[in-house]
Amino acid sequence: DAGVIQSPRHEVTEMGQEVTLRCKPISGHDYLFWYRQTMMRGLELLIYFNNNVPIDDSGMPEDRFSAKMPNASFSTLKIQPSEPRDSAVYFCASSLEQETEAFFGQGTRLTVV
Amino acid sequence: GIQVEQSPPDLILQEGANSTLRCNFSDSVNNLQWFHQNPWGQLINLFYIPSGTKQNGRLSATTVATERYSLLYISSSQTTDSGVYFCAVGAAGNKLTFGGGTRVLVKP
Repeated sequence: DAGVIQSPRHEVTEMGQEVTLRCKPISGHDYLFWYRQTMMRGLELLIYFNNNVPIDDSGMPEDRFSAKMPNASFSTLKIQPSEPRDSAVYFCASSLEQETEAFFGQGTRLTVV
Repeated sequence: GIQVEQSPPDLILQEGANSTLRCNFSDSVNNLQWFHQNPWGQLINLFYIPSGTKQNGRLSATTVATERYSLLYISSSQTTDSGVYFCAVGAAGNKLTFGGGTRVLVKP
């Protein structure tokens, strides 16, 4: 398996624009997670899905952020409108079952200017 | 929520030296993982170790769940070991909470 695949690897956008980050989990994994990494807050969980259903979105910072998982092999994280403080590295991860090892994608480095 | 503390925050090693990184957590956990974030930002799985001891080459890890800590041992360090080491724990549900990391620099 190619592992968790994220796209794009880098994204530079202007404030106010819509940004969509994409993730393909490892085939057969039932759990998908979105994390954000910043210098100030470290690595923090934004939202996670089980069998394509959002389970916990308490980490989503505000209504400008939304995430979807239309099928078992694809998820998106959307920011609309984007702001400079959204600049961060966004990671997607997946795991096979509950309380099992999670594997991370290479991340998307987002810069909002 | 669960608190995760890693120590030391920074570590400078001479190539060939051994070191121990520590991870303390505030509650019972069902999941504990160690990651290495390399200079390119990639999070690499080192160990999945909610309890017990594991070894992989020059690295080993021990988790004492009853005392709420885990240790990562690096032996005969190499410059490629440089980066940030993260401990992440999971309690109820399947969410991982990350510690602040230990930044390691191995000098040749």
